[in-house]
Formats: sequence, structure tokens, C-alpha cells
Amino acid sequence: EAGVAQSPRYKIIEKRQSVAFWCNPISGHATLYWYQQILGQGPKLLIQFQNNGVVDDSQLPKDRFSAERLKGVDSTLKIQPAKLEDSAVYLCASSSTPGGSVGYEQYFGPGTRLTVT
Amino acid sequence: AQTVTQSQPEMSVQEAETVTLSCTYDTSESDYYLFWYKQPPSRQMILVIRQEAYKQQNATENRFSVNFQKAAKSFSLKISDSQLGDAAMYFCAYRLASGGTYKYIFGTGTRLKVLA
Repeated sequence: EAGVAQSPRYKIIEKRQSVAFWCNPISGHATLYWYQQILGQGPKLLIQFQNNGVVDDSQLPKDRFSAERLKGVDSTLKIQPAKLEDSAVYLCASSSTPGGSVGYEQYFGPGTRLTVT
Repeated sequence: AQTVTQSQPEMSVQEAETVTLSCTYDTSESDYYLFWYKQPPSRQMILVIRQEAYKQQNATENRFSVNFQKAAKSFSLKISDSQLGDAAMYFCAYRLASGGTYKYIFGTGTRLKVLA
């Protein structure tokens, strides 16, 4: 079974530039999560999708961050314009829904390390 | 609101010894799951062990076991016969089913160092 795929693995940009991250969840997983993990801290949920609808985006800085999940499969997270404090690892994860048959843990991708200079 | 607290930012253990990582949580729900995740320096987060709240029996996975105290809202992880490969950040997580989906809440993590 293929895991959660993310790209790129690393990205270095200057402040005020834009950047986009891509995630492909495990096949059959209806729920997709984007987390921001600052060095030494736990994952912080940015946005959660169920299929192609947003379940929770309460901690997403909407003035600069956006995300979409077209067709309920893969997803893109964008930052525009980036700030120095956006330097972090961006983790994508997926899980099934209650009652789903495709496992029930949350599975994580390898993450994208973003450095904003 | 649900919260997860890991009060030990860092722990050390000698190789082959046993170490226990602490986690407490706060919830008013009765049906939930608890997880321990491991994040090695390579960054990929992997599941170590899970516990269903309705089960009284503590979960065990090889050298990893939990001490689940539902009334005390405590969920500690015990690693026996520690190995160098156990060195990582460990995150405790709480999962709640809500509105037809799962929501996860993570603690701040404990960095485990294994000394040779």
C-alpha cells in the first residue's frame, strides 16, 4: 500500500515570495490534514478536508495561506506572500472516516521543510 | 475543549533500560482513541501504539506498552529494552470522532535520547 506522498521535500524562498506544496493521500482516505510543525513543537492543524470540503480551517492564516483539494483526492497548500515565521515543516496526513474500512489511524507523509530567508 | 499535555520536554535512557513517557489529556467524551507517534530525525511521523478508551486492557506492541488510566486521564508510554533506534520525538495524540470525521489533537512532544 502506497503511503502519503508529499513534494517537494525541501524549499528555500525569500520573504514575500510564494510557495506551493502538494500532497497525495492514501487511496481511499476521505480525510486529509495539513499541519504546520515548527522546530521542537508538535503539529498544529492548519486545515482539514473531508473529501473536497473543508471541515476545519480555524487556524489557517487566511490572509496568506490557501488550500484546495480538488476532486477529493490530492491537495495543494499555498503561501503567498511568505513571512520569516512561516519557516517550518509542513506535514500532510490522511485518515479514513468513522466506520471506514481502510484502516483508522492517521498516516503522515514525509513533510516539506520550508525555509524563508 | 480537548487538550493533551506532555510535561517532559526531554528524557534520557541508557541502552537496554526502560523508560516511561508521560501524557495527560482533558476531555468530557467517553469514546475516543489515544495514540503515541514517533518522529525520528528523518521527520516521518509513524504510529507506535494506540489505545481505545472503552478497552480496560493496556495496549502492547513488542517493546512498547501503555499504562492507560481513564479516570485519571493519563496515558503513559513504556519502552522496554531501549535501543539506539528509539531515539526520536514522541507525540501523544487524542482522537475524537466528530461530525462524521476524525479530529486529532497532539501534545508538544518529548525528545527521547538513548545513551550507549
